[in-house]
Amino acid sequence: GNSVTQMEGPVTLSEEAFLTINCTYTATGYPSLFWYVQYPGEGLQLLLKATKADDKGSNKGFEATYRKETTSFHLEKGSVQVSDSAVYFCALDDYKLSFGAGTTVTVRA
Amino acid sequence: DVKVTQSSRYLVKRTGEKVFLECVQDMDHENMFWYRQDPGLGLRLIYFSYDVKMKEKGDIPEGYSVSREKKERFSLILESASTNQTSMYLCASSLTGDSNQPQHFGDGTRLSIL
Repeated sequence: GNSVTQMEGPVTLSEEAFLTINCTYTATGYPSLFWYVQYPGEGLQLLLKATKADDKGSNKGFEATYRKETTSFHLEKGSVQVSDSAVYFCALDDYKLSFGAGTTVTVRA
Repeated sequence: DVKVTQSSRYLVKRTGEKVFLECVQDMDHENMFWYRQDPGLGLRLIYFSYDVKMKEKGDIPEGYSVSREKKERFSLILESASTNQTSMYLCASSLTGDSNQPQHFGDGTRLSIL
């Protein structure tokens, strides 16, 4: 079946540091890939998505590229802010969504 | 903006009670979903619905049922609550079943079963 594996947290960074969260997937078809973010006390919201190989999704300074050859969809941001502190979920959609376990990111001023 | 509203942010119930969690979306979405979120496990799909009165089991349906009598409302029912159902419950909706369509989430209900 489909599955998503993302790096374990928690991750703690200083402001303006570079953030990478690794995500790899296993799927039988050609799924769409998503990153969702959950801010404290809130539900999940879509951060970015990519629907086919080599697509790059981007939003709020975050980027992720759909790499079919390595079955990966790593999330990156060049300079994080305190407001980026949240839990980040990688997910794939091949008929239904499958989520990774989530990575908690804390950015310190 | 799509709004998905869950009726309670926090709920405390007792073992053996029948528990109803309500979810309403305001964008005429076809699909609705119920997940539970547990630390280290991410989100796991309990049930989903692609149409009124239609439901399908997700990955962990045991101990739960759902009801979708109207398009905008999707209810999760714990038939006889148990302590291992203490969790955060998230409702979501999407426009269609197309995998390009993102899901929109409510703020969650934190349910404690004593």
